[in-house]
Amino acid sequence: DAGVTQSPTHLIKTRGQQVTLRCSPISGHKSVSWYQQVLGQGPQFIFQYYEKEERGRGNFPDRFSARQFPNYSSELNVNALLLGDSALYLCASSSKQLTLAKNIQYFGAGTRLSVL
Amino acid sequence: QKEVEQDPGPLSVPEGAIVSLNCTYSNSAFQYFMWYRQYSRKGPELLMYTYSSGNKEDGRFTAQVDKSSKYISLFIRDSQPSDSATYLCATDSWGKLQFGAGTQVVVTP
Repeated sequence: DAGVTQSPTHLIKTRGQQVTLRCSPISGHKSVSWYQQVLGQGPQFIFQYYEKEERGRGNFPDRFSARQFPNYSSELNVNALLLGDSALYLCASSSKQLTLAKNIQYFGAGTRLSVL
Repeated sequence: QKEVEQDPGPLSVPEGAIVSLNCTYSNSAFQYFMWYRQYSRKGPELLMYTYSSGNKEDGRFTAQVDKSSKYISLFIRDSQPSDSATYLCATDSWGKLQFGAGTQVVVTP
């Protein structure tokens, strides 16, 4: 079975540009979460979607937005890119709504974004 | 103060040694604890998932949770060069994972 797939694998953008990252969850999983991992740090929670609705948001500015489609795939958009947005962006999928107990999240390989 | 604290290492051990990794957390309400392994330029891979206090063993891996001291540990027995990776501890805070900074482990042949 295919795991969580993310595209593209690498992106190079310049400051001020906009970027869209894509994620396809494991088949049958309805929940998708996004995380940002800066080099040398653990992943930081950005968004959580379940059944196409936003169910949680981390401490990120409004330049970050996301959505989930009827097929449960998801996009993360970042506007007005800053140098500090350079990071590995990870998508995780889960079979249940994340607030339920014992709900395991499975991660994709990530999209590495470099902002110059 | 971060919710989950983890020594970033690096931790270098000879092949065959026991690797001991630790994290502390601040919120006593946390009940679910995880260890993820992350190879360079890859996404995190779930290794162990534990609930509340106690031990859990899976092959060469043992996870321990001590809720009284808010301390979680991972032990890797008979370490192999293929175990060289970054190990991330995490807790589940109502669906959003709170990660430590990750400890880089290097197992030398």
